[in-house]
Amino acid sequence: NAGVTQTPKFQVLKTGQSMTLQCAQDMNHEYMSWYRQDPGMGLRLIHYSVGAGITDQGEVPNGYNVSRSTTEDFPLRLLSAAPSQTSVYFCASSPTQNTEAFFGQGTRLTVV
Amino acid sequence: DQQVKQNSPSLSVQEGRISILNCDYTNSMFDYFLWYKKYPAEGPTFLISISSIKDKNEDGRFTVFLNKSAKHLSLHIVPSQPGDSAVYFCAANSWGKLQFGAGTQVVVTP
Repeated sequence: NAGVTQTPKFQVLKTGQSMTLQCAQDMNHEYMSWYRQDPGMGLRLIHYSVGAGITDQGEVPNGYNVSRSTTEDFPLRLLSAAPSQTSVYFCASSPTQNTEAFFGQGTRLTVV
Repeated sequence: DQQVKQNSPSLSVQEGRISILNCDYTNSMFDYFLWYKKYPAEGPTFLISISSIKDKNEDGRFTVFLNKSAKHLSLHIVPSQPGDSAVYFCAANSWGKLQFGAGTQVVVTP
Protein backbone atom coordinates (compact mmCIF):
# COMPACT_ATOMS: atom_id res chain seq x y z
CA ASN A 1 0.00 0.00 0.00
CA ALA A 2 2.22 2.84 -1.29
CA GLY A 3 -0.11 5.83 -0.68
CA VAL A 4 1.59 9.07 -1.79
CA THR A 5 5.09 8.66 -3.22
CA GLN A 6 7.45 11.58 -3.74
CA THR A 7 10.75 11.53 -5.61
CA PRO A 8 13.50 12.48 -5.08
CA LYS A 9 13.87 12.61 -1.29
CA PHE A 10 16.79 15.03 -1.45
CA GLN A 11 18.00 17.41 -4.16
CA VAL A 12 20.61 20.14 -4.45
CA LEU A 13 20.21 22.64 -7.29
CA LYS A 14 22.23 25.57 -8.50
CA THR A 15 20.52 28.92 -8.86
CA GLY A 16 18.82 29.10 -12.24
CA GLN A 17 18.50 25.36 -12.77
CA SER A 18 15.13 23.78 -13.37
CA MET A 19 13.77 20.51 -12.08
CA THR A 20 10.60 18.53 -11.51
CA LEU A 21 9.49 17.07 -8.21
CA GLN A 22 7.46 13.95 -8.79
CA CYS A 23 4.33 12.94 -6.88
CA ALA A 24 2.20 9.85 -7.45
CA GLN A 25 -0.70 8.39 -5.51
CA ASP A 26 -2.36 5.00 -5.88
CA MET A 27 -5.56 5.69 -3.94
CA ASN A 28 -7.55 7.08 -6.88
CA HIS A 29 -7.91 10.41 -5.09
CA GLU A 30 -9.27 13.32 -7.10
CA TYR A 31 -7.75 16.09 -5.02
CA MET A 32 -3.98 16.62 -4.95
CA SER A 33 -1.84 19.47 -3.66
CA TRP A 34 1.69 20.69 -3.09
CA TYR A 35 2.92 22.39 0.08
CA ARG A 36 6.22 23.79 1.23
CA GLN A 37 7.41 23.87 4.82
CA ASP A 38 9.91 26.44 6.04
CA PRO A 39 11.46 26.72 9.53
CA GLY A 40 9.10 28.24 12.09
CA MET A 41 6.19 28.14 9.69
CA GLY A 42 3.45 25.73 8.93
CA LEU A 43 2.92 24.16 5.54
CA ARG A 44 1.91 26.61 2.84
CA LEU A 45 -0.10 25.66 -0.22
CA ILE A 46 1.68 26.14 -3.56
CA HIS A 47 -0.72 24.63 -6.14
CA TYR A 48 -3.60 22.22 -6.07
CA SER A 49 -5.74 20.16 -8.41
CA VAL A 50 -9.35 19.00 -8.04
CA GLY A 51 -9.03 16.43 -10.82
CA ALA A 52 -7.20 15.52 -14.01
CA GLY A 53 -6.80 18.55 -16.25
CA ILE A 54 -7.71 21.06 -13.52
CA THR A 55 -5.17 23.01 -11.48
CA ASP A 56 -5.18 26.24 -9.52
CA GLN A 57 -2.87 28.41 -7.48
CA GLY A 58 -2.48 28.30 -3.75
CA GLU A 59 -0.94 30.77 -1.34
CA VAL A 60 2.66 30.80 -2.69
CA PRO A 61 2.57 29.83 -6.42
CA ASN A 62 5.27 32.10 -7.84
CA GLY A 63 8.20 30.23 -9.43
CA TYR A 64 6.32 26.94 -9.67
CA ASN A 65 4.26 25.23 -12.36
CA VAL A 66 2.03 22.17 -12.15
CA SER A 67 0.04 19.98 -14.49
CA ARG A 68 -2.37 17.09 -13.92
CA SER A 69 -2.62 14.85 -16.96
CA THR A 70 -3.64 11.75 -14.98
CA THR A 71 -5.44 11.13 -11.69
CA GLU A 72 -2.32 9.47 -10.25
CA ASP A 73 0.41 12.03 -10.98
CA PHE A 74 0.89 15.65 -9.97
CA PRO A 75 4.42 16.90 -10.74
CA LEU A 76 5.74 20.24 -9.48
CA ARG A 77 8.14 22.12 -11.73
CA LEU A 78 10.65 24.71 -10.62
CA LEU A 79 11.32 26.87 -13.65
CA SER A 80 14.46 28.70 -12.51
CA ALA A 81 15.50 27.75 -8.99
CA ALA A 82 16.25 30.50 -6.47
CA PRO A 83 17.72 30.23 -2.95
CA SER A 84 14.32 31.34 -1.58
CA GLN A 85 12.93 28.02 -2.83
CA THR A 86 15.13 26.08 -0.43
CA SER A 87 12.50 24.20 1.55
CA VAL A 88 10.89 20.87 2.27
CA TYR A 89 8.14 20.07 -0.22
CA PHE A 90 5.18 17.85 0.53
CA CYS A 91 2.65 16.41 -1.86
CA ALA A 92 -0.77 15.39 -0.56
CA SER A 93 -3.91 13.75 -1.85
CA SER A 94 -7.46 13.36 -0.57
CA PRO A 95 -10.64 11.72 -1.88
CA THR A 96 -12.54 15.01 -1.85
CA GLN A 97 -11.93 18.61 -0.91
CA ASN A 98 -13.37 18.14 2.57
CA THR A 99 -11.67 15.04 3.90
CA GLU A 100 -8.29 14.48 5.46
CA ALA A 101 -5.25 14.71 3.21
CA PHE A 102 -2.59 12.00 3.00
CA PHE A 103 0.96 13.28 2.69
CA GLY A 104 4.08 11.95 1.04
CA GLN A 105 7.38 11.75 2.90
CA GLY A 106 8.65 15.01 1.47
CA THR A 107 11.47 16.27 -0.76
CA ARG A 108 14.20 18.33 0.86
CA LEU A 109 15.42 20.84 -1.72
CA THR A 110 18.47 23.06 -1.34
CA VAL A 111 19.21 25.78 -3.88
CA VAL A 112 22.75 27.15 -3.76
CA ASP B 1 -1.53 37.12 6.91
CA GLN B 2 -1.53 33.98 9.00
CA GLN B 3 -5.11 32.83 9.53
CA VAL B 4 -4.27 29.85 11.73
CA LYS B 5 -2.06 30.36 14.75
CA GLN B 6 -0.47 28.04 17.24
CA ASN B 7 1.03 30.32 19.84
CA SER B 8 2.94 27.71 21.80
CA PRO B 9 6.00 26.53 19.86
CA SER B 10 6.75 23.82 22.40
CA LEU B 11 5.15 21.79 25.17
CA SER B 12 6.79 19.43 27.67
CA VAL B 13 4.56 16.95 29.48
CA GLN B 14 5.15 14.03 31.78
CA GLU B 15 4.23 10.55 30.60
CA GLY B 16 0.71 9.65 31.71
CA ARG B 17 -0.40 13.27 32.04
CA ILE B 18 -2.67 15.24 29.71
CA SER B 19 -1.26 17.24 26.78
CA ILE B 20 -3.34 20.23 25.68
CA LEU B 21 -2.49 21.90 22.39
CA ASN B 22 -4.19 25.10 21.34
CA CYS B 23 -4.99 26.68 18.00
CA ASP B 24 -6.70 29.95 17.02
CA TYR B 25 -8.08 30.98 13.64
CA THR B 26 -9.40 34.19 12.15
CA ASN B 27 -11.42 33.14 9.08
CA SER B 28 -15.04 32.25 9.90
CA MET B 29 -15.35 30.53 6.48
CA PHE B 30 -13.29 27.57 7.66
CA ASP B 31 -15.64 24.58 7.91
CA TYR B 32 -13.41 21.69 8.82
CA PHE B 33 -10.45 21.49 11.16
CA LEU B 34 -7.74 18.88 11.40
CA TRP B 35 -4.77 17.95 13.55
CA TYR B 36 -1.68 16.38 12.05
CA LYS B 37 1.29 14.78 13.75
CA LYS B 38 4.76 14.94 12.23
CA TYR B 39 7.94 13.07 13.04
CA PRO B 40 11.32 14.32 11.70
CA ALA B 41 12.03 13.43 8.06
CA GLU B 42 8.47 12.16 7.56
CA GLY B 43 5.32 13.63 6.10
CA PRO B 44 2.49 14.80 8.35
CA THR B 45 0.04 12.07 9.34
CA PHE B 46 -3.61 12.73 10.01
CA LEU B 47 -4.66 12.47 13.63
CA ILE B 48 -8.20 13.71 14.15
CA SER B 49 -10.64 16.19 12.65
CA ILE B 50 -13.79 18.10 13.52
CA SER B 51 -16.51 19.67 11.43
CA SER B 52 -17.60 23.22 12.18
CA ILE B 53 -21.07 21.93 13.09
CA LYS B 54 -19.69 19.99 16.06
CA ASP B 55 -17.96 21.10 19.24
CA LYS B 56 -16.21 17.87 20.19
CA ASN B 57 -14.78 14.80 18.51
CA GLU B 58 -13.11 11.93 20.29
CA ASP B 59 -10.92 9.10 19.01
CA GLY B 60 -9.25 6.97 21.62
CA ARG B 61 -6.74 9.05 23.56
CA PHE B 62 -7.32 12.09 21.32
CA THR B 63 -10.13 14.63 21.69
CA VAL B 64 -10.55 17.81 19.71
CA PHE B 65 -12.71 20.66 21.00
CA LEU B 66 -14.02 23.50 18.85
CA ASN B 67 -15.26 26.83 20.18
CA LYS B 68 -16.60 28.66 17.15
CA SER B 69 -17.52 31.85 18.96
CA ALA B 70 -13.94 32.19 20.17
CA LYS B 71 -12.47 30.80 16.92
CA HIS B 72 -10.44 28.41 18.99
CA LEU B 73 -9.77 24.71 18.95
CA SER B 74 -7.75 22.46 21.17
CA LEU B 75 -6.38 18.94 21.08
CA HIS B 76 -6.28 16.88 24.25
CA ILE B 77 -4.09 13.80 24.47
CA VAL B 78 -4.62 11.64 27.53
CA PRO B 79 -2.69 9.83 28.75
CA SER B 80 0.43 11.12 26.99
CA GLN B 81 2.89 8.46 25.86
CA PRO B 82 6.55 8.67 24.76
CA GLY B 83 5.53 7.92 21.16
CA ASP B 84 3.46 11.12 21.20
CA SER B 85 6.65 13.19 21.07
CA ALA B 86 6.36 14.94 17.71
CA VAL B 87 5.35 18.22 16.11
CA TYR B 88 1.59 18.77 15.99
CA PHE B 89 0.02 20.97 13.32
CA CYS B 90 -3.43 22.45 13.44
CA ALA B 91 -5.01 22.96 10.01
CA ALA B 92 -8.20 24.61 8.80
CA ASN B 93 -9.95 23.69 5.58
CA SER B 94 -11.73 26.02 3.20
CA TRP B 95 -12.80 24.42 -0.10
CA GLY B 96 -10.03 21.86 0.10
CA LYS B 97 -7.29 24.38 0.74
CA LEU B 98 -5.60 23.73 4.05
CA GLN B 99 -4.12 26.53 6.12
CA PHE B 100 -1.65 25.31 8.72
CA GLY B 101 -0.46 26.72 11.99
CA ALA B 102 3.28 26.87 12.68
CA GLY B 103 3.19 23.74 14.83
CA THR B 104 3.80 22.80 18.46
CA GLN B 105 6.71 20.55 19.41
CA VAL B 106 5.54 18.12 22.08
CA VAL B 107 8.07 16.31 24.26
CA VAL B 108 6.79 13.58 26.56
CA THR B 109 9.19 12.92 29.42
CA PRO B 110 9.37 9.73 31.55
